[in-house]
Amino acid sequence: KQEVTQIPAALSVPEGENLVLNCSFTDSAIYNLQWFRQDPGKGLTSLLLIQSSQREQTSGRLNASLDKSSGRSTLYIAASQPGDSATYLCAVSGGSYIPTFGRGTSLIVHP
Amino acid sequence: DVKVTQSSRYLVKRTGEKVFLECVQDMDHENMFWYRQDPGLGLRLIYFSYDVKMKEKGDIPEGYSVSREKKERFSLILESASTNQTSMYLCASRQPTGANTEAFFGQGTRLTVV
Repeated sequence: KQEVTQIPAALSVPEGENLVLNCSFTDSAIYNLQWFRQDPGKGLTSLLLIQSSQREQTSGRLNASLDKSSGRSTLYIAASQPGDSATYLCAVSGGSYIPTFGRGTSLIVHP
Repeated sequence: DVKVTQSSRYLVKRTGEKVFLECVQDMDHENMFWYRQDPGLGLRLIYFSYDVKMKEKGDIPEGYSVSREKKERFSLILESASTNQTSMYLCASRQPTGANTEAFFGQGTRLTVV
């Protein structure tokens, strides 16, 4: 059974720092990997999707990389802002197309 | 933009009531999912559906059932609500193949069973 781990569980940084959030998964036979953002009490907002054949995806200040063979993905946030404060979730999907989630990284960016 | 809409943001129900949580998506997605989210446990899959009238149990189906009579609508049913079903419920949909296979989520339903 696929297991997804996110490290660190929580992170508090000053504004302007560049950040790396980590996601690891146990079964490398994935179809795709998706990063989400969740604000308190809200649903999940999709940030980036990486297909299994891709190495990275970029959107604005966000860059996600995928190393399928080692079972790892990283989400890089450049020049963090207080508005980036949220929980970031990683989900991997295999042949069944069912997303399996990590428990998330809770990020606080303080001014 | 893809929209996944859950019928309620907040619900308060009594123990023993039958509860319906509704989810509608507007992008003709084949796959739909129901998760619950609890502090320290993350998102856990309750049920999913590959297509109309098809349903499969997820990791924690006990106490729940689902209905998918139309492609756009996936309903989660709590047959007899209990306090341990107090949780955040999240619905998602995706198209499994093609140019865009992103999963999209609704805004969530915070259910409290008293």
